[in-house]
Amino acid sequence: SQTIHQWPATLVQPVGSPLSLECTVEGTSNPNLYWYRQAAGRGLQLLFYSVGIGQISSEVPQNLSASRPQDRQFILSSKKLLLSDSGFYLCAWTGATGELFFGEGSRLTVL
Amino acid sequence: AQTVTQSQPEMSVQEAETVTLSCTYDTSESDYYLFWYKQPPSRQMILVIRQEAYKQQNATENRFSVNFQKAAKSFSLKISDSQLGDAAMYFCAYWDGGSQGNLIFGKGTKLSVKP
Repeated sequence: SQTIHQWPATLVQPVGSPLSLECTVEGTSNPNLYWYRQAAGRGLQLLFYSVGIGQISSEVPQNLSASRPQDRQFILSSKKLLLSDSGFYLCAWTGATGELFFGEGSRLTVL
Repeated sequence: AQTVTQSQPEMSVQEAETVTLSCTYDTSESDYYLFWYKQPPSRQMILVIRQEAYKQQNATENRFSVNFQKAAKSFSLKISDSQLGDAAMYFCAYWDGGSQGNLIFGKGTKLSVKP
């Protein structure tokens, strides 16, 4: 069966520091992968999606970037974090009929 | 643009009772998909139930069922025999079937279950 993992689960970083969140999927090949952000008291916002290695689409222009160096690996990065980058980040992949399957999430606090 | 609205920020239900969470959406599409997701305190989002718009029959998954009213653009979730483990945030989501799988989420309803 397919599983999705992301890490770290919790991260506290100072403003201006870099960021790297990793996500890997197991049990499937060539998945569509997504990074969502959930800010406090708000719904989920799609940040990036990828349909294959090296293919990244950005939904919202911002301080973050994404990369897909391997088929089942998706990375969310930033060179310099802002306070507004704080939130709960979720990696996901899509099933055959459009539903999203999410990882455990990464809580980022920027101080 | 498609939008999803959950008008109940918080709901409460007694254990073993039934509760209905509301969701409305706006779209000009005729074919689309709707989902309910559960996010417990552990924060991992879990798919609860899905509905294809072309299907008239309401989806059911154990104690979870939906009331899909396509003309009214309404997609409510009914939880029967509520259990303490049902306490969570519930998100309604819409997908227009596009290849990129860009789901539109509502802002969620926080469900509390009283023992």
